[in-house]
Amino acid sequence: GAGVSQSPSNKVTEKGKDVELRCDPISGHTALYWYRQRLGQGLEFLIYFQGNSAPDKSGLPSDRFSAERTGESVSTLTIQRTQQEDSAVYLCASSLGGKQPQHFGDGTRLSIL
Amino acid sequence: AQSVTQLDSHVSVSEGTPVLLRCNYSSSYSPSLFWYVQHPNKGLQLLLKYTSAATLVKGINGFEAEFKKSETSFHLTKPSAHMSDAAEYFCVVSDRPGNTGKLIFGQGTTLQVKP
Repeated sequence: GAGVSQSPSNKVTEKGKDVELRCDPISGHTALYWYRQRLGQGLEFLIYFQGNSAPDKSGLPSDRFSAERTGESVSTLTIQRTQQEDSAVYLCASSLGGKQPQHFGDGTRLSIL
Repeated sequence: AQSVTQLDSHVSVSEGTPVLLRCNYSSSYSPSLFWYVQHPNKGLQLLLKYTSAATLVKGINGFEAEFKKSETSFHLTKPSAHMSDAAEYFCVVSDRPGNTGKLIFGQGTTLQVKP
């Protein structure tokens, strides 16, 4: 499809396990963002990739969170030693950069038991 | 620092009546402002954006918003609500001028449309 694709759509895991979330941006989009949405709340910025520049990691809540992006393609958000407070929907967005708007995927719903 | 405040957490209207969702912003520069809509269990969809061109911005599905610098507001309106408009609406400001950078979201307004 032409939109931002995220997988898995749902993930249930036990506390303490590591999880990996994937985002396929729209082809040609140089900018990629990760956000977290807790139940009933707005989105919190996590990390931002723009081309070959160093990513903006200012939103990552702890060193258990990390993300990588290969060139201008797929990105992976990894959460190590998951905690119950990590339960949320993780949303990925991409854009052409500049003043172009961000386009969002449907998110990964992460539940930590 | 940039921020947005959505003044109502929940708005209820009858089908066919006008919609007003209120948003105030705080920014140290001329901001880029957006409204996004989120239907249940769905991702976010861009309704409209303001990036220092016309102050009255028209978006999809009949929505529009007016940028008022003197009031630091960016309220979302629609003349006539449809049942399909029931969703969560987010007012959003860009982190930095020029490049969209990261987005800063308001807490959201739930729009209920009654038949």
